[in-house]
Amino acid sequence: DAGVTQSPTHLIKTRGQQVTLRCSPKSGHDTVSWYQQALGQGPQFIFQYYEEEERQRGNFPDRFSGHQFPNYSSELNVNALLLGDSALYLCASSHWGQGQGYTFGSGTRLTVV
Amino acid sequence: QKEVEQDPGPLSVPEGAIVSLNCTYSNSAFQYFMWYRQYSRKGPELLMYTYSSGNKEDGRFTAQVDKSSKYISLFIRDSQPSDSATYLCAMNKNTGFQKLVFGTGTRLLVSP
Repeated sequence: DAGVTQSPTHLIKTRGQQVTLRCSPKSGHDTVSWYQQALGQGPQFIFQYYEEEERQRGNFPDRFSGHQFPNYSSELNVNALLLGDSALYLCASSHWGQGQGYTFGSGTRLTVV
Repeated sequence: QKEVEQDPGPLSVPEGAIVSLNCTYSNSAFQYFMWYRQYSRKGPELLMYTYSSGNKEDGRFTAQVDKSSKYISLFIRDSQPSDSATYLCAMNKNTGFQKLVFGTGTRLLVSP
């Protein structure tokens, strides 16, 4: 049973560019959440998708957007990249309403130069 | 002030030691408390989950929650080199509100 799969593993982008990160949830999970983890920090909640709609959003600018597809997979898009967007981006899946049952992927390491 | 405070460490102990990891928090609405383990270059892995105050034991791991003091702890008995990782505390308000608030993580190093 595959867990949460994220792609790509690593990515280097230039300031001002746009990036798309992808996530396939654990089999049977219907909810996807995205977190940003800066070096030496804990993960920070970006947003959560369920039934193809954004359900909750953290304190991130609207340069951060997302999408959930009918097969529950999800994308995170970041526009106009800043150096400060360099971080590990984590996708977590769960059943809707079971916030204690997160399964995290290994993340995408984004470096903005 | 951060909602969740956690000493970043590193915490270095010899193999076999009892390890105590702690977090404090400021929001009394938190009801669900979790400990995650994160190895280098990996995502967090759920270790323990506790609802409200009390203790929970799972093998070598014990989680404690004291809501009156807004203080949570994770104890690791008979620590092993394989326990070397970053330990993150996390919490949220209720089952339906799934945003997790994390501490910064404590890096643990267990030497053979």
